Formats: sequence, structure tokens, C-alpha cells
Amino acid sequence: AQKVTQAQTEISVVEKEDVTLDCVYETRDTTYYLFWYKQPPSGELVFLIRRNSFDEQNEISGRYSWNFQKSTSSFNFTITASQVVDSAVYFCALLNRDDKIIFGKGTRLHILP
Amino acid sequence: EAQVTQNPRYLITVTGKKLTVTCSQNMNHEYMSWYRQDPGLGLRQIYYSMNVEVTDKGDVPEGYKVSRKEKRNFPLILESPSPNQTSLYFCASRGLVYNEQFFGPGTRLTVL
Repeated sequence: AQKVTQAQTEISVVEKEDVTLDCVYETRDTTYYLFWYKQPPSGELVFLIRRNSFDEQNEISGRYSWNFQKSTSSFNFTITASQVVDSAVYFCALLNRDDKIIFGKGTRLHILP
Repeated sequence: EAQVTQNPRYLITVTGKKLTVTCSQNMNHEYMSWYRQDPGLGLRQIYYSMNVEVTDKGDVPEGYKVSRKEKRNFPLILESPSPNQTSLYFCASRGLVYNEQFFGPGTRLTVL
């Protein structure tokens, strides 16, 4: 089965705290891609990162970092020193050999001032 | 600027009145698709297209039609809209080399 699970439906943290959004995927393919998207209150879907299955190197982009672990089929997303502007719904997604992108249900993140 | 555009952004219509939501991309992407987003259900794929004149059903194709006559355009057609098609719709395009999928700004459709 091809599946993406974001177990955290909603998270609230106080500004400046670190927060990690979990993503667990299932796929029978050895070649696949993983993505994270951000959907702010304005509604658009913003591409954040793409990672292919052969590249397990962690990625850091400013306050954002991603931890890809094939052994646990996880691709977690951490925001360091969160800000109110980080409040959004975040989606994890999987592109497999079927050439179809499967999305998780999303995690709604509230950053409280 | 590389982008996916959709029109209209907002639409209120009545049951049974045919409508078309346009989608255009300027990145020469082969792959285009339509999604709908509903509370609690996430993003669900309606239709997709691998290239010109090649389209296929996604997870929720009932009540929708698409066409891909040109590489840049992928309109979504609702021949006879019903209230259960009230939703937020996204068009997306993706190149087949780097596989980054970009989304349009969304179309919020209300069917009364």
C-alpha cells in the first residue's frame, strides 16, 4: 500500500519554541520522492522541499530542517524558533513509481504569540 | 516568473450550470493534475495528464471532465455541478526530471 500518515492533526506551540511535524510513509517502491508543502491561511500551497529515496542526508534551510530516515520510513520536519508566520497547515507527500503524488491529511500548526 | 495560474479564483454558481475552471502553466511541464481539498479529507486527485491528449482518472473523477489539447493548459469542466462539488480546487504541474510539483493559487467553488 502507498500511504502517507501525519498523525498530528493539530499542534499549538508558543512562539520561539521548536516544533517537529511527523510524517510516516508506506511504499513498496525503492525509488520515490518525498515532499513537504505549506498552506498558510491565505490558502495557496507552497512547495518547501523535495527529497529522493537515495538521498538520506538531512536538509537545513534557515529555521527549517528535515530528517529523512528510511529505516523508519519517516520524513519529519522541524521548525526551530517558531514564529507566528509559521502558522499554517503542512502537508507531507509521496511520489512513487506509479507517478502519482499521495498526500497526508496535513498537520495544522498554530504558533501562539 | 514560473507559475501555475487558475481562473476564476472564486466562483458561486447554481446546480446544473456548466462551468470551466482554467489552468495554465508556463514551465513546459509534462504532468498536470487537478485536486480538490475538503476539510478532514485532505487533497484528493481528480484527474491528471501525463502529456498532450493523455489524461486519466484520479481518485475522485465522478462529475468532472478534463482536456489537454495544449501542453500549457489543463481546464477542469463541471458539466452539471452539484452542491457536493463545493470545494477548494487546485491545479498543479510537474516536470518529469526534478519532479517538483507546483500548485496554482486555488479556486474556491460554491455550488448552490
